[in-house]
Amino acid sequence: NAGVTQTPKFQVLKTGQSMTLQCAQDMNHEYMSWYRQDPGMGLRLIHYSVGAGITDQGEVPNGYNVSRSTTEDFPLRLLSAAPSQTSVYFCASSRPNRGDNSPLHFGNGTRLTVT
Amino acid sequence: QQQVKQSPQSLIVQKGGISIINCAYENTAFDYFPWYQQFPGKGPALLIAIRPDVSEKKEGRFTISFNKSAKQFSLHIMDSQPGDSATYFCAASPASGGSYIPTFGRGTSLIVHP
Repeated sequence: NAGVTQTPKFQVLKTGQSMTLQCAQDMNHEYMSWYRQDPGMGLRLIHYSVGAGITDQGEVPNGYNVSRSTTEDFPLRLLSAAPSQTSVYFCASSRPNRGDNSPLHFGNGTRLTVT
Repeated sequence: QQQVKQSPQSLIVQKGGISIINCAYENTAFDYFPWYQQFPGKGPALLIAIRPDVSEKKEGRFTISFNKSAKQFSLHIMDSQPGDSATYFCAASPASGGSYIPTFGRGTSLIVHP
C-alpha cells in the first residue's frame, strides 16, 4: 500500500518555465488537495478536489492549475513559474465525512526552486 | 484571517520534560481537531485527534486537552524524547455538512535536547 505518491522529489525551474507536479493515491479517497509549505506560514491550501471531475480553489490558487480526471490522480500545473513559487508542495487525500477516519494522508512532498 | 492560531512558533525542551503546544479557533462549526507531526523531509502525518464531545484524549505520551467554551485545544507531550523533535500542526474542520476542508495552524517546531 503506497498511500500518496508525489513526483518528482526535487525540481529546479527557471522563471517562466512550466511544469506539472504529479500526485497519485491508491486508497480510493474522494478528497484530494495540494498545499504549499513555507517557513512561518504553515500549510496553505492551493486547490482541492472532492471527486473526479470536480475541483475548486483554495487560499492561494494564483499561478496554479489542477484537474481531476480519475479518482487516483491529481496533478498540479505551474503555468509560468515565478520565484515566489519556490516552496515545498504537498499533496494530501482523505475520505471525508467518515467520522474519525477523516484525517489527511500526505505525500512526502516536492521541493521546488524557481531561479 | 487566521482561523486557527497556534503557539508557540518554536519550543525547546529537555529530555523528559513536558512539551505543550496551544491552538485557538474561531469557527464554532469546527468539530474535528487533529494534530499532525512532521519530520524533516517528510509529509505531515496524523498524530492524534479529538472531537468536542470529550475534554481529553490520551494516546501513550500524547494528550489532547480540549476546552469547547474557550475554543481552545492543546497538545501535551509527556516525557519528551529527542525522537519527538519535529514540527507539529494543529488543525480544525467541520466533520459534517459537506465542508471538510481542514484549517491548519502555522506550526510549532519542537526540539527536544538529550
